[in-house]
Amino acid sequence: DTGVSQNPRHKITKRGQNVTFRCDPISEHNRLYWYRQTLGQGPEFLTYFQNEAQLEKSRLLSDRFSAERPKGSFSTLEIQRTEQGDSAMYLCASSWADLNEKLFFGSGTQLSVL
Amino acid sequence: KQEVTQIPAALSVPEGENLVLNCSFTDSAIYNLQWFRQDPGKGLTSLLLIQSSQREQTSGRLNASLDKSSGRSTLYIAASQPGDSATYLCAVRKYNDMRFGAGTRLTVKP
Repeated sequence: DTGVSQNPRHKITKRGQNVTFRCDPISEHNRLYWYRQTLGQGPEFLTYFQNEAQLEKSRLLSDRFSAERPKGSFSTLEIQRTEQGDSAMYLCASSWADLNEKLFFGSGTQLSVL
Repeated sequence: KQEVTQIPAALSVPEGENLVLNCSFTDSAIYNLQWFRQDPGKGLTSLLLIQSSQREQTSGRLNASLDKSSGRSTLYIAASQPGDSATYLCAVRKYNDMRFGAGTRLTVKP
């Protein structure tokens, strides 16, 4: 296992379409995080899972966003009825449950909504 | 609400120079502080993690310090190289909430 993997790397969609991103964490990690990053800013927390349970969601995560982590392995992030303001880099990270463990990030999915 | 600020926003130095990047945060009740590197269009790579009980961490040419009481951390890079050119972000963690600064964009000129 070489790290956190995210697919696709780039996604271009038209406004109003639905999109889904996938994240495969480091296999031993039981925590998985989703972040969103816009140009010139640091990542902003969206949600996190411990195993298959989604334990926290940011207020940034509107009703159009949904995330799942079936069986506590890979995770998907779906955005319904995309808006131009959803254009951003979506980053996934994983770690062990200890809060003093490092976060390991994937390369991200760059979403462009036209 | 935790606010994380990084100064300067951008820095350009000649190769070989030693440099310091700064990070400040408003809430000192943190578990840890982590420094990351981000190359353009890529994800973040963890460089150093300092636990709240620690004062500094070192890895190769990198040294990070933490002064929790004053809400400050520094990342010291010795003998900078063109390959160090990237954006450096700090992030502070309290419980499950990790807050990031906007980063310092570093350019090391050959």
